[in-house]
Parts: sequence; C-alpha cells; structure tokens
Amino acid sequence: NAGVMQNPRHLVRRRGQEARLRCSPMKGHSHVYWYRQLPEEGLKFMVYLQKENIIDESGMPKERFSAEFPKEGPSILRIQQVVRGDSAAYFCASSRESGEKLFFGSGTQLSVL
Amino acid sequence: TQLLEQSPQFLSIQEGENLTVYCNSSSVFSSLQWYRQEPGEGPVLLVTVVTGGEVKKLKRLTFQFGDARKDSSLHITAAQPGDTGLYLCAGEKAGSNYKLTFGKGTLLTVNP
Repeated sequence: NAGVMQNPRHLVRRRGQEARLRCSPMKGHSHVYWYRQLPEEGLKFMVYLQKENIIDESGMPKERFSAEFPKEGPSILRIQQVVRGDSAAYFCASSRESGEKLFFGSGTQLSVL
Repeated sequence: TQLLEQSPQFLSIQEGENLTVYCNSSSVFSSLQWYRQEPGEGPVLLVTVVTGGEVKKLKRLTFQFGDARKDSSLHITAAQPGDTGLYLCAGEKAGSNYKLTFGKGTLLTVNP
C-alpha cells in the first residue's frame, strides 16, 4: 500500500534555475493537491488538480509557478527562475474523491542558493 | 485572511505529564482537523471534528471542538516520548474541503 510518493525528497537549485517537483498519488486517487510550507509558516494551499484539469489554482503565485496532472504519470509542480524566497517544503496530497480525506506525501524540500 | 493561532508554539514536558494545546480563530469553520507531523515527513491526519462541542478520543488523546466552531483543543494524558512531534490544526470551510487553513503548529517534546 504505497502512500503518496514525492520526489525528489531534497532539491537544490541556484537562483534562476528551474525546479520540477513530482507527485504520484495513492493508488486509486485521482485528485491531487499541492501545499507549500515556508519557514516559520503554516502549510498554505497552492493548487488542486484532477486528471488533466486544474480545478483551483487560487493559491498559486501568479508568475513562475505552474502545475499539471497529465493523464499518464505523476503530477508536476514547476517553478521557473527560482528565487531564494521559493525555498520551502512542498507537500502533495491526494484523495480518492473530492470531499474525502487528504493523504499527504513526505514532501520535497527545495533549497535555492 | 482566516488565521488559526496555535498555542503554545513550543512545549517540552516529562514523560507521564498531561498537556493541552490550543487552536483558536476568529472565523467559523465547518470542520477542524488535527494532524501530527514528524521531522522530514508530511502531516498525518489524527482526527476531524465537525459538530460544535464535539469531543473525540483517540487512546490518550482527547480532541474538542468549540461550541461556536472557532476553536479546538487537544489534550494528551500521560504523554510518552512517542508523542513527540509537531501538532497542526487545520480548518475547513464549507464547499472547499481541500483548501485547508493550517496553523503554524505546536512543537511537542516529551522527554523520557
């Protein structure tokens, strides 16, 4: 019973590079959510995706951030031209149906040098 | 912006002691969830409280939702070192259960 799988666990990027964070939901789950945990802050919702669709991206920064959940393969959170302020733990969660319990992955710790 | 304030921020106690941590807001939530997060891991759901005044027990953990559904508490009886972790509360608004509002957490250390 694999849980929500995120990789890489740790990602180091220099300013201006791109970061790609991957999330494979639990088996049978088709709803994926991304949250960000900044240092000294609580987790904050970023985006909700269902297969091939973005349902709610109200928490996504307007620039440089994008997310996708293709028909095949994991969900990807992409951050272009990273800046130091992007350094955070990025958590993915999944659920079987909308309105059901969220299961969180172990996160990707992004460090921008 | 709806905020959830958790207190205390840090708590260090000896094994066997009792403790209570709090989660307060000026906003009403349709439900409130408590999570525990270990270092380097994601949050794991402990309980969801839905009804104002509701009390739920999970072994030595007792969760209470305030009558007005704005606040909640977690009480641990006879704490053990295995209870060490970051305890997070998260509020859910009706119609957007996935857009949880998280508090910053209480970091609990139980010393043997």
